[in-house]
Amino acid sequence: GDSVTQMEGPVTLSEEAFLTINCTYTATGYPSLFWYVQYPGEGLQLLLKATKADDKGSNKGFEATYRKETTSFHLEKGSVQVSDSAVYFCALSDWGTSGSRLTFGEGTQLTVNP
Amino acid sequence: DVKVTQSSRYLVKRTGEKVFLECVQDMDHENMFWYRQDPGLGLRLIYFSYDVKMKEKGDIPEGYSVSREKKERFSLILESASTNQTSMYLCASSGTGGNQPQHFGDGTRLSIL
Repeated sequence: GDSVTQMEGPVTLSEEAFLTINCTYTATGYPSLFWYVQYPGEGLQLLLKATKADDKGSNKGFEATYRKETTSFHLEKGSVQVSDSAVYFCALSDWGTSGSRLTFGEGTQLTVNP
Repeated sequence: DVKVTQSSRYLVKRTGEKVFLECVQDMDHENMFWYRQDPGLGLRLIYFSYDVKMKEKGDIPEGYSVSREKKERFSLILESASTNQTSMYLCASSGTGGNQPQHFGDGTRLSIL
């Protein structure tokens, strides 16, 4: 079946540091890929998405590129802020296998210190 | 913007009670989902629905049921609440198609005493 593997957390960075959160996936079809962010005490918010190979999703300074050859969708940001402290989830949707269901990674806790 | 509204942010109930969690979306989405989120266990799908009056079991349906009488509303029911159902419950909705993201509500933190 489909699966998503994220780098283990927690991740702690200083403000203005470069962020990478690794995400790799396995899927039987041609999935769409998503990154969600969850701030403390809130639900998940869609951060960015990519629907086909080599697509780059971007939002609020975050970027991720759909790499089919390495089955990866790593999240990056050039300069993190304290306000980026949250849990980040990588997810995929594999329409042919599981319809509109999402398969989530375990989440990566990010803490940014001033 | 899509708005998914969960009826309560915090809820405290007693063991054995019947508990209703309500979710409403305003984007005419066909699909609606209920998850629970627990530390160390990530997000787990309880039930989902692709249309009015339709429901499908997710990965952990035991102890729960759902109702979808109208397209915009999806209710999660704990038939007889137990302490191991203390959790954060998240509702989501999406349009049809594999590239459609799910949009989440703010969650309901449910405590069963």
